[in-house]
Amino acid sequence: DADVTQTPRNRITKTGKRIMLECSQTKGHDRMYWYRQDPGLGLRLIYYSFDVKDINKGEISDGYSVSRQAQAKFSLSLESAIPNQTALYFCATSEQGPYTGELFFGEGSRLTVL
Amino acid sequence: AQSVTQLGSHVSVSEGALVLLRCNYSSSVPPYLFWYVQYPNQGLQLLLKYTSAATLVKGINGFEAEFKKSETSFHLTKPSAHMSDAAEYFCAARKTSYDKVIFGPGTSLSVIP
Repeated sequence: DADVTQTPRNRITKTGKRIMLECSQTKGHDRMYWYRQDPGLGLRLIYYSFDVKDINKGEISDGYSVSRQAQAKFSLSLESAIPNQTALYFCATSEQGPYTGELFFGEGSRLTVL
Repeated sequence: AQSVTQLGSHVSVSEGALVLLRCNYSSSVPPYLFWYVQYPNQGLQLLLKYTSAATLVKGINGFEAEFKKSETSFHLTKPSAHMSDAAEYFCAARKTSYDKVIFGPGTSLSVIP
């Protein structure tokens, strides 16, 4: 089984609908991240969490919210989806403390907003 | 703000030829630097990382990268391309070990038989 699991892997929805993308990890890492990938733009950070009580906005948090339900679970919500939120979303984890920053990624959730 | 640039959104090489993917960063201090690879329909995985221990860093699958402070560069190379190297490659950086990771826009590598 994958260390970082994202559900759903693919989702098609309509404008205005609420969508939740879920991420769970078995790596035991404290830090979790949500990135968005768009062609030509690389990965952009949406939100990140350094522990259950610590949640921070990234570069592009507008229109998104997150919930860290437990050390192993970090969910991303789109309260009212719009077409320009169509993208590939990645959850990632990393270790706490002075470290060299390797990120461990899930396989991605492809979201299409019509 | 720190940024990462990758010259060339798409690079094509012949099988057996040298692979060179370029990455430059903007930072007032040498950051931690990374190369990640993304194979089709998969998440990203780490190829290699620079953490100031050595300027020439060797990674998985025969890739290596050299950190050049004077050029603020961290280019990725492989002496001989394989078909299995076809993927998207991302350069990434963080200023300190507690900072967020910033990604470049990515370079798609095609390998021609």
